Amino acid sequence: DTGVSQDPRHKITKRGQNVTFRCDPISEHNRLYWYRQTLGQGPEFLTYFQNEAQLEKSRLLSDRFSAERPKGSFSTLEIQRTEQGDSAMYLCANSRQGAGTEAFFGQGTRLTVV
Amino acid sequence: DAKTTQPNSMESNEEEPVHLPCNHSTISGTDYIHWYRQLPSQGPEYVIHGLTSNVNNRMASLAIAEDRKSSTLILHRATLRDAAVYYCILRGVNNAGNMLTFGGGTRLMVKP
Repeated sequence: DTGVSQDPRHKITKRGQNVTFRCDPISEHNRLYWYRQTLGQGPEFLTYFQNEAQLEKSRLLSDRFSAERPKGSFSTLEIQRTEQGDSAMYLCANSRQGAGTEAFFGQGTRLTVV
Repeated sequence: DAKTTQPNSMESNEEEPVHLPCNHSTISGTDYIHWYRQLPSQGPEYVIHGLTSNVNNRMASLAIAEDRKSSTLILHRATLRDAAVYYCILRGVNNAGNMLTFGGGTRLMVKP
């Protein structure tokens, strides 16, 4: 157990529906990252927060994706009008500031769009 | 972003040491070398990291070349539970938010 929890673990949704995932990080770690991972590939960076501020977004994060981290605590990732190409594992990671710190990952939310 | 190169896959026998190589010839002076592993259907798990000196922890050892252009993750006695994809990542101050940029990693298979 890394201390980072994600909910739900699995989500099956119909194309066109909206979905929201939640990440509860380790409270004293101010950096929070979202990644997406498709089968057979390494995780790809989507976005990150420092406290409540969203400071970087990947070009992978289309307009249908939005992420929030109110009050610098938990974070949510919403996908609107889901498409089959959104099917993937969505991972949340958490760390203190600095390149010499370890990052802790949640177990991920596996999304299947049918 | 500085890139890393790892073999796609490696095989090991249980109870034997495993040396997982990583090349990072474009590493900058402020890049830390991180290793994570990912078991099937799990999120990545931190293994070890270092800057210049070799590092040891309860999971593994990290040997860093003197010129820092390569490193080796050493599992001292492989177990079946060590079968995973191992990622070598450079985490630097120049990456936005010190994000981790994953490559394809090395798939380690452990034979009983």
